[in-house]
Amino acid sequence: EDKVVQSPLSLVVHEGDTVTLNCSYEVTNFRSLLWYKQEKKAPTFLFMLTSSGIEKKSGRLSSILDKKELFSILNITATQTGDSAVYLCAVEAFGNEKLTFGTGTRLTIIP
Amino acid sequence: DTEVTQTPKHLVMGMTNKKSLKCEQHMGHRAMYWYKQKAKKPPELMFVYSYEKLSINESVPSRFSPECPNSSLLNLHLHALQPEDSALYLCASSLRHLRDSPLHFGNGTRLTVT
Repeated sequence: EDKVVQSPLSLVVHEGDTVTLNCSYEVTNFRSLLWYKQEKKAPTFLFMLTSSGIEKKSGRLSSILDKKELFSILNITATQTGDSAVYLCAVEAFGNEKLTFGTGTRLTIIP
Repeated sequence: DTEVTQTPKHLVMGMTNKKSLKCEQHMGHRAMYWYKQKAKKPPELMFVYSYEKLSINESVPSRFSPECPNSSLLNLHLHALQPEDSALYLCASSLRHLRDSPLHFGNGTRLTVT
């Protein structure tokens, strides 16, 4: 059975800090890994990663995938209170036809 | 605001009621999904429609009945629900069914069954 584990489960930091969120996976026939941010309602799409070692970047957020070690990290630099959310990692496998989500990391940014 | 619109935002229903959740997108996406999310848990897949045909039913009880009238609309008909069905119901769409096509989620319907 496909498995996605995120760590830490929760994280509290001060505004301006840099954070790194982790996602490890055990998936047969890996296809892609996705990161979502969920504040109060809709998860919003951040990144889709399919290739190892290629960093994807959007403003202060960046993410990279390591297909050999089976993990991904999501970095947020110069955090702001608006970054407070649950960050979800999900993986897709060839032939599985559904996303497997991790339980998420709850990030809280203190002003 | 997302490009996937769900109505209603909140719904309270009794165990004998019949109600429907609605979802609409106009992004030309051909795959639509229903997810259920309980508090502090990740979304759980319920149904997938691909090109208006049901392609995945994740062993969901028959008291939940999906319907895809056209490529832009997705409904979830509810009947004889149980209190444990109370949750946030999320609709999502993607250009195609997965295959490197990220999901775009609606804001959800928060359902309370009394």
